[in-house]
Amino acid sequence: TQLLEQSPQFLSIQEGENLTVYCNSSSVFSSLQWYRQEPGEGPVLLVTVVTGGEVKKLKRLTFQFGDARKDSSLHITAAQPGDTGLYLCAVMDSSYKLIFGSGTRLLVRP
Amino acid sequence: NAGVTQTPKFQVLKTGQSMTLQCAQDMNHNSMYWYRQDPGMGLRLIYYSASEGTTDKGEVPNGYNVSRLNKREFSLRLESAAPSQTSVYFCASSGGQLRLAGVETQYFGPGTRLLVL
Repeated sequence: TQLLEQSPQFLSIQEGENLTVYCNSSSVFSSLQWYRQEPGEGPVLLVTVVTGGEVKKLKRLTFQFGDARKDSSLHITAAQPGDTGLYLCAVMDSSYKLIFGSGTRLLVRP
Repeated sequence: NAGVTQTPKFQVLKTGQSMTLQCAQDMNHNSMYWYRQDPGMGLRLIYYSASEGTTDKGEVPNGYNVSRLNKREFSLRLESAAPSQTSVYFCASSGGQLRLAGVETQYFGPGTRLLVL
């Protein structure tokens, strides 16, 4: 059983559309991170959220940490082809190791 | 700064062969990590080194060994490669001071693509 469930697994949209991807768990976490991985590259950190209900914005990306700190969402407004990639959420488990979800693969078509 | 570098970029092995994946970072980070990434599985931690001189098992350590050669370098060795070890391997590093708080940024290398026949 995965500690983190990400949905959807795959999303293909047209440039200019909005989208939301989710990261869910039954466990409570003190913090949660989102990474983006472009094809052929390693993941790059986008944001860390630490407070229940917290909302962080990074240009057209909006990240929210659930009130109960069990889930998170990433909303992209007016998606662009440069947003194409694999979006991974990650949390620290009880033995202080970073655990990743299986990711949402996003394709933004021009 | 090069960040995190990995060699080789690609490798093909036959079952039973051995090889060492090399990783180096130039950010003076204390902690270093090895992950593997398989389709639909996200990234899974193989081994990590919280600081120079220490190494610990991650989620999937079987079939691998590691060496923290110095503060900059962390190598991953496959003693007898198996087809199940076909994967993309990523090395990462982080400062280490905030690791236990779960708020550190991990910086990843570009990966090594390994095919075991």
